[in-house]
Amino acid sequence: GENVEQHPSTLSVQEGDSAVIKCTYSDSASNYFPWYKQELGKRPQLIIDIRSNVGEKKDQRIAVTLNKTAKHFSLHITETQPEDSAVYFCAAEMNSGGYQKVTFGTGTKLQVIP
Amino acid sequence: DSGVTQTPKHLITATGQRVTLRCSPRSGDLSVYWYQQSLDQGLQFLIQYYNGEERAKGNILERFSAQQFPDLHSELNLSSLELGDSALYFCASSVMRDSYEQYFGPGTRLTVT
Repeated sequence: GENVEQHPSTLSVQEGDSAVIKCTYSDSASNYFPWYKQELGKRPQLIIDIRSNVGEKKDQRIAVTLNKTAKHFSLHITETQPEDSAVYFCAAEMNSGGYQKVTFGTGTKLQVIP
Repeated sequence: DSGVTQTPKHLITATGQRVTLRCSPRSGDLSVYWYQQSLDQGLQFLIQYYNGEERAKGNILERFSAQQFPDLHSELNLSSLELGDSALYFCASSVMRDSYEQYFGPGTRLTVT
């Protein structure tokens, strides 16, 4: 089955600096890669996603890059703000025999220091 | 607010008991997913339903079962509860069978004592 590894598990940055979170996946059939942000005690919320036919996608201060050959994708947050502090999860999804399978990474706890 | 509702918000029960968690998807969403999140852990995919039919299974224990009803709400049944089943259980929904964007509910926090 699919295996998603996420690094680092914790990340502290100074406000205004950039943060990068990386994920690797094992199954080349995965074709959709969402990123979720989960604030303490709250639900995960989709913040950005990328499909396997796209290499990069940007939404204001957030960007995601995908390298299909190397099977890795990354989340980039620029000009970090204290409200960016949360746990971020990556995921890899594939369609397998008519079933959509999703595998989440283990999460990265991001702390933005004011 | 994602439009996905879950009840109850909190549940405290004893080992060996059985509980039912309920989820109502966003209006128009046909797919429902269940996840388990233990303390300081990631999201473990349990099971997916699409329009009443089971579509995918993850790491769901045999003591757990789920179903999706004609009105599209879903229930997750957990039986013979163990201390290790204490976790936050999320439901998510999406509009299509194989669609990608998932919208999460607020979760049900289950505590087994």
